[in-house]
Amino acid sequence: AQSVTQPDIHITVSEGASLELRCNYSYGATPYLFWYVQSPGQGLQLLLKYFSGDTLVQGIKGFEAEFKRSQSSFNLRKPSVHWSDAAEYFCAVGPKGGSEKLVFGKGTKLTVNP
Amino acid sequence: DAGVIQSPRHEVTEMGQEVTLRCKPISGHDYLFWYRQTMMRGLELLIYFNNNVPIDDSGMPEDRFSAKMPNASFSTLKIQPSEPRDSAVYFCASSPHPLGGSDFGAGTRLSVL
Repeated sequence: AQSVTQPDIHITVSEGASLELRCNYSYGATPYLFWYVQSPGQGLQLLLKYFSGDTLVQGIKGFEAEFKRSQSSFNLRKPSVHWSDAAEYFCAVGPKGGSEKLVFGKGTKLTVNP
Repeated sequence: DAGVIQSPRHEVTEMGQEVTLRCKPISGHDYLFWYRQTMMRGLELLIYFNNNVPIDDSGMPEDRFSAKMPNASFSTLKIQPSEPRDSAVYFCASSPHPLGGSDFGAGTRLSVL
């Protein structure tokens, strides 16, 4: 069965610092990969997704993610964090060739210090 | 577009009562999903529909849970009878096709006392 691991439950960074959130997946083949952000009291918003092609994916709000097949990873990055980026971030995987049954990681909560 | 609309935003009820959560998907989206989010289990897919037809309900925890989609613009998730362990945030999401990420509603926070 497919699974998603986000090793960091909570990360704290200073405003203006760079950010990398880790995501590892377990799946028999290359799945579809997604990153979502959830602000307090809100639903999830899609940041970016990877289906195929260029392994470096650009998303909204200045985020990008890189798919590394050899490491089964899809880490999210941002070069300079803003205070408004404080939220919880979820990585998700979905099977190729089938219906969209996403499996989500447990999330990483990001705190941004001024 | 107003996005995915869920109601109510908050629901407090007593154990044994029936609870109905409502969702209006984005117009034109053929797929609709119901998720549950808890601290312990994270975000779990309960059921999803394609063109108003339930496709996979394997995530529905037990027979107390049921979901319907009578038309393309409305879906309900019902819990009868409700139990304290059903307390969670329930999200509805819709998507235009199976290959894309979904648009999520703001969720319904359910508390069963």
